Amino acid sequence: EDKVVQSPLSLVVHEGDTVTLNCSYEVTNFRSLLWYKQEKKAPTFLFMLTSSGIEKKSGRLSSILDKKELFSILNITATQTGDSAIYLCAVGFGNEKLTFGTGTRLTIIP
Amino acid sequence: DTGVSQNPRHKITKRGQNVTFRCDPISEHNRLYWYRQTLGQGPEFLTYFQNEAQLEKSRLLSDRFSAERPKGSFSTLEIQRTEQGDSAMYLCASSFGLDTIYFGEGSWLTVV
Repeated sequence: EDKVVQSPLSLVVHEGDTVTLNCSYEVTNFRSLLWYKQEKKAPTFLFMLTSSGIEKKSGRLSSILDKKELFSILNITATQTGDSAIYLCAVGFGNEKLTFGTGTRLTIIP
Repeated sequence: DTGVSQNPRHKITKRGQNVTFRCDPISEHNRLYWYRQTLGQGPEFLTYFQNEAQLEKSRLLSDRFSAERPKGSFSTLEIQRTEQGDSAMYLCASSFGLDTIYFGEGSWLTVV
């Protein structure tokens, strides 16, 4: 059965710190890995990764995929209080069915 | 607002009652998905439609659950004879083909 494991489950850092969130997976017929940010409501899309070794960046956030070792990381530099959220990793074959991890709860202390 | 729209946003119902949620996807999106999320967990896939055809259903979707997308636009998710274990946030999402999936705000269900 497809499985997505995120670590750590929870992380508390001070504003300005850099954080790395991890996502490992076991899925059949992998096609894409997605990162979402969830703040008390619906997940909002951050990145979709399909190829190994190609970093995607958006402002202070970046992510990379390793299809050989079956994991991805999400980096956030110079964290701000607005980054406090649950970060979800999801993996799927195509996008018909995404399997989500339980998420990493990130708390940024001012 | 051109995002995925869900209503009602919150529903409290007594055990045994039926409830229905509606989802309006992003207008040009042909795929529509339903997920369920409970506290402390990531969303779990329930079902998805391509246009009006329901192409896959999770085994989580018991016979008390039914979803429709009659004209390939909006969708409804009905839960019959609700149980306390049905309490969760029901998320609708849409995509155009295999592009990124965008989620709605969710519909919170509390069964008392």
